[in-house]
Amino acid sequence: QQPVQSPQAVILREGEDAVINCSSSKALYSVHWYRQKHGEAPIFLMILLKGGEQKGHDKISASFNEKKQQSSLYLTASQLSYSGTYFCGTGSNNAGNMLTFGGGTRLMVKP
Amino acid sequence: DTEVTQTPKHLVMGMTNKKSLKCEQHMGHRAMYWYKQKAKKPPELMFVYSYEKLSINESVPSRFSPECPNSSLLNLHLHALQPEDSALYLCASSQDSPHVEQFFGPGTRLTVL
Repeated sequence: QQPVQSPQAVILREGEDAVINCSSSKALYSVHWYRQKHGEAPIFLMILLKGGEQKGHDKISASFNEKKQQSSLYLTASQLSYSGTYFCGTGSNNAGNMLTFGGGTRLMVKP
Repeated sequence: DTEVTQTPKHLVMGMTNKKSLKCEQHMGHRAMYWYKQKAKKPPELMFVYSYEKLSINESVPSRFSPECPNSSLLNLHLHALQPEDSALYLCASSQDSPHVEQFFGPGTRLTVL
């Protein structure tokens, strides 16, 4: 089953923060976050594993709530380059390579 | 080299044509993937190859035929496609381990007339 992402779209001013959520109805072992700009390849942001710690680099971080089967992506002090569509991909314990992607969150950062 | 390349970038074909999409990586990855992405939708997994053997086929119609001639190359042979098969076809590769980063290519935008 496809994970559910929210919000579907968000518009920010440069420097503002955003949170993108990803939730699943089935047990998760991993959550992968990707960003895709129009006409380009999805770019890997980070992976969170069950039992693992919160990941992050620079001003993008993420968390994984195993009990709720949810993950959140935190974008701090957004930059114009953050614009794009963010996808979460979920992997189960017995099919770690088989990613099921959420519907995506379209993020636009304006000057 | 951390790049996955795909050719062609764009392809227009008729429903009776036979064409092939190509994907190449030189990162030493032993898992390779084909995804289909419709406009404003997420990528959908089609096939997974592990050590050049097909390990996952997500119930894809037989008009799509994957091939992995060696560890660096992945092809997708197309025959008798339908207009609804028009989409962006993405190739990806990764280490052959669960729960690892997948590196995506830029995709081939396919239009079936």
